[in-house]
Amino acid sequence: SQTIHQWPATLVQPVGSPLSLECTVEGTSNPNLYWYRQAAGRGLQLLFYSVGIGQISSEVPQNLSASRPQDRQFILSSKKLLLSDSGFYLCAWIGDYTEAFFGQGTRLTVV
Amino acid sequence: AQSVTQLGSHVSVSEGALVLLRCNYSSSVPPYLFWYVQYPNQGLQLLLKYTTGATLVKGINGFEAEFKKSETSFHLTKPSAHMSDAAEYFCAVSEAGNTDKLIFGTGTRLQVFP
Repeated sequence: SQTIHQWPATLVQPVGSPLSLECTVEGTSNPNLYWYRQAAGRGLQLLFYSVGIGQISSEVPQNLSASRPQDRQFILSSKKLLLSDSGFYLCAWIGDYTEAFFGQGTRLTVV
Repeated sequence: AQSVTQLGSHVSVSEGALVLLRCNYSSSVPPYLFWYVQYPNQGLQLLLKYTTGATLVKGINGFEAEFKKSETSFHLTKPSAHMSDAAEYFCAVSEAGNTDKLIFGTGTRLQVFP
């Protein structure tokens, strides 16, 4: 069966520091992968999605970037974090009929 | 483009009462519709989904939802609430045949009182 791993679970970073969140998928090949951010009262905002290695689509302009160096690896990064980057970040793999499978999320607090 | 509207960011019910969480969608083509549940500091878990066929779909934990094309709705219901149902619920839509995007509503937080 497919599983999706996301780490770390929690992260506290100072403003201006870099960020790297990693997501890996097991049990499937060539998955469509997604990064969402969840802010209180705003639901899930789609940040990036990738349909293959090296292919990244950005949904909203922001301080973040994404990369897909391997088929089952999806990384969310920032060179310099802002306070507004705080939130709960979720990686997802979308399978048949666009059913989404989520990682456990990363709670990022920028201080 | 697709969109989802969830009416009511917070819903409170008594244990044993009916749960009704509202979802309306907008889509230019036949949609796939989903309900997800999220417990604190966890990822989302699929409750149920509609793709094609029967418009009344049953999911886990006694939840069900009905796809009503004429009303562009996909409301989530459960006849009798349990304390363990307290969580945040998200409705989501994607366009049939388009595997690129799944769009979520803003969520409804369900509280269950004893």
